[in-house]
Amino acid sequence: QVQLQESGPGLVKPSETLSLTCTVSGDSLSTYYWSWIRQPPGKGLEWIGFVYYIGSTDYNPSLKSRVTISVDTSKNQFSLRLNSVTAADTAVYYCARGSTVANFIFDYWGQGALVTVSS
Amino acid sequence: DIQMTQSPSTLSASVGDRVTITCRASQSISSWLAWYQQKPGKAPKLLIYKASSLKGGVPSRFSGSGSGTEFTLTISSLQPDDFATYYCQHYDSSPLTFGGGTKVEIK
Repeated sequence: QVQLQESGPGLVKPSETLSLTCTVSGDSLSTYYWSWIRQPPGKGLEWIGFVYYIGSTDYNPSLKSRVTISVDTSKNQFSLRLNSVTAADTAVYYCARGSTVANFIFDYWGQGALVTVSS
Repeated sequence: DIQMTQSPSTLSASVGDRVTITCRASQSISSWLAWYQQKPGKAPKLLIYKASSLKGGVPSRFSGSGSGTEFTLTISSLQPDDFATYYCQHYDSSPLTFGGGTKVEIK
């Protein structure tokens, strides 16, 4: 059974860097695309970007200047860094796996991690 | 970016009702459209991909149709477990974008 689990600080100060890690169990990072998606409280879903297991990435242009997604296949983890955060970055952050039927839809998700940006 | 617009934003219905949700893309996305169901406090769950293909294990009362710019998700007979928020997502090109969501609530 594939499981994804987000981890990282739940509170980040404005202008600092948000860092989250997604640990994958029951599957190898190899072959699939791995994404980060966020959802501000009470709002819709926003795709942040993906990493392929060999390290190639693609980011949402709305966040591209502030985002880095990386992969560590030895730990079966991938990570998100979002720089210069503001209150607008407060959201539940999900990690998700690209599905077997199409790389860029998501069939396995983490439970989500609420990150609040506040001083 | 391709904009995805869902309607209605909220839908009130009763158990047993036939429910239809619409998703429109700002440009043609062929059939590269997925639908998700999300319940409060939970991650979204994939229901349908390639506009009309049902993911394994998803009840057959869910169906999808459309191509190009206009798509629909239909629930043929609404069940208590179906009260949730539904999102469409295109995967035609980067960036991937989602619709704003349709909340299906109890009438």
